[in-house]
Amino acid sequence: DAKTTQPPSMDCAEGRAANLPCNHSTISGNEYVYWYRQIHSQGPQYIIHGLKNNETNEMASLIITEDRKSSTLILPHATLRDTAVYYCIVDSGNTGKLIFGQGTTLQVKP
Amino acid sequence: NAGVTQTPKFQVLKTGQSMTLQCAQDMNHEYMSWYRQDPGMGLRLIHYSVGAGITDQGEVPNGYNVSRSTTEDFPLRLLSAAPSQTSVYFCASSLGQHYNEQFFGPGTRLTVL
Repeated sequence: DAKTTQPPSMDCAEGRAANLPCNHSTISGNEYVYWYRQIHSQGPQYIIHGLKNNETNEMASLIITEDRKSSTLILPHATLRDTAVYYCIVDSGNTGKLIFGQGTTLQVKP
Repeated sequence: NAGVTQTPKFQVLKTGQSMTLQCAQDMNHEYMSWYRQDPGMGLRLIHYSVGAGITDQGEVPNGYNVSRSTTEDFPLRLLSAAPSQTSVYFCASSLGQHYNEQFFGPGTRLTVL
């Protein structure tokens, strides 16, 4: 499986957009990019996933570069409840076996 | 729907004791899995099941057993608890192996003394 690299921590002001980067330079053609988050002490929560096109849902937007070597998760209007660890995961989608790295701890500040 | 439920929420064991962590889902999901999360780390896969009667090992299976006799339940058994198994355990489920939108339970915090 391709590995991902994320910054260990980021801050964001409440009400502003939070842009969380992820590098996955060894991603294969059939591998998807998934984002999960884990709010303190809770189980991880699925956010969004994509293959090569940009994706948007009610929680977030996912921007994948044309070469697919990196992506950005965008939370358009961050709230204090978005404070969490965000995990970027690359997987072919055929195994169900998610490999979690260290993730990015996003702190949303008032 | 209750989603994915786990019991107990907290458990303290002595070294050598055995116990079963329960996991159930009411979404008719075929795929279920168990992860453990140690402090400051991401989740690591212990065992998984692609359907009733089928289980397989994940990244860190040693010291744990699983079985899947029904679609709804996927218990995780610790045969002889060790301090290294002190962790938070999460159960997850999804529609199938090829669906990576997984739903996680609230976790079980296990301490082995």
